[in-house]
Amino acid sequence: EPEVTQTPSHQVTQMGQEVILRCVPISNHLYFYWYRQILGQKVEFLVSFYNNEISEKSEIFDDQFSVERPDGSNFTLKIRSTKLEDSAMYFCASSGGGLAGGYNEQFFGPGTRLTVL
Amino acid sequence: GNSVTQMEGPVTLSEEAFLTINCTYTATGYPSLFWYVQYPGEGLQLLLKATKADDKGSNKGFEATYRKETTSFHLEKGSVQVSDSAVYFCALNTNTGNQFYFGTGTSLTVIP
Repeated sequence: EPEVTQTPSHQVTQMGQEVILRCVPISNHLYFYWYRQILGQKVEFLVSFYNNEISEKSEIFDDQFSVERPDGSNFTLKIRSTKLEDSAMYFCASSGGGLAGGYNEQFFGPGTRLTVL
Repeated sequence: GNSVTQMEGPVTLSEEAFLTINCTYTATGYPSLFWYVQYPGEGLQLLLKATKADDKGSNKGFEATYRKETTSFHLEKGSVQVSDSAVYFCALNTNTGNQFYFGTGTSLTVIP
């Protein structure tokens, strides 16, 4: 069964460093997403990506964040200069798409736990 | 705005007990409602969904009914098993955008 994969499973970094979280969405999906969950809090939407551009983003997704689909299979989230409050579990998701992608199930990866020291 | 509130955990039940995890929502328009489950070390998996009022989603013995009048989507299972131990997330999508709005998740542990 196709699945979304994410690497690494755990990333530890120093404050101020850049990190890149990697995701391989399901191959025939068209919409890609990043969410995060700070420990004990809600899973929060960060950004959605379609047709090689951001289609929607939340207030959390400021200039420190960027996303990219560098090739036909990977989808990355870059945090340019990490802060302590960026420590969280980051989930990648993908969906089959359609005019309203939300109608379709979003398939989630296992997450990357980011720890900023 | 759009938001989901679900009951605080953790929840611990004995095998074969009845499960209810409460979920209420606030949304503009007519959202679709979802329950996702996360087993240890895995991603969030769709458990069930309902796309309009009075729909009942069901899967693996779990069910939830979309109640517009009470803005609720409570998850129930008549007889839980040890293998149901996981974290359960209630979520909504407004159908006008791509993002999901999630609750905080409820951790369930089922003991033999």
